[in-house]
Amino acid sequence: DAMVIQNPRYQVTQFGKPVTLSCSQTLNHNVMYWYQQKSSQAPKLLFHYYDKDFNNEADTPDNFQSRRPNTSFCFLDIRSPGLGDAAMYLCATSRDTIAGASLDTQYFGPGTRLTVL
Amino acid sequence: DQQVKQNSPSLSVQEGRISILNCDYTNSMFDYFLWYKKYPAEGPTFLISISSIKDKNEDGRFTVFLNKSAKHLSLHIVPSQPGDSAVYFCAARLTGNQFYFGTGTSLTVIP
Repeated sequence: DAMVIQNPRYQVTQFGKPVTLSCSQTLNHNVMYWYQQKSSQAPKLLFHYYDKDFNNEADTPDNFQSRRPNTSFCFLDIRSPGLGDAAMYLCATSRDTIAGASLDTQYFGPGTRLTVL
Repeated sequence: DQQVKQNSPSLSVQEGRISILNCDYTNSMFDYFLWYKKYPAEGPTFLISISSIKDKNEDGRFTVFLNKSAKHLSLHIVPSQPGDSAVYFCAARLTGNQFYFGTGTSLTVIP
């Protein structure tokens, strides 16, 4: 089945130690998203790629970076994780959502739960 | 600033009855609204959506109502089934692939 895959499902890192989360998709969607969800909070969009075009949300800290080497893969890099970065990180994909056009839904991966020690 | 709000963290409903989940938003520029369902240890899955130019969309047991003047939407599930027990997220889209989510409502359908 076509799907969105996130690895690893659980990641433990140390305070200040860089960590990379990965996402891959077999849907051939041109848009990929990264969300951060803290306990009992709403998923918060960090950034998204429209093909190779990177779109950062205004309030996403500089500590968070992303790479999309090809259509299938997208990475979330946290350069210096702090205790406040412990969260579930969700990757999602969609086809292009053109303004006014019929909306194609986002397809989510299962998430990676990040623990910062 | 939370642009999409789900004020009820949880809801319990008897099997066979109607479940009504509510969502409020603040940004009048949202052009699409969506509901997602999430089971534990899984990512959210799309349930139903509605364009801002419509006031109702129905898909089987699920109906979404949009009241633009009140900036309010609701998801109706009828009849509710035990398998509907999950966390339901309301989301809204701004043009440009920007999505805003609510905090979720945990629905429990009691057999």
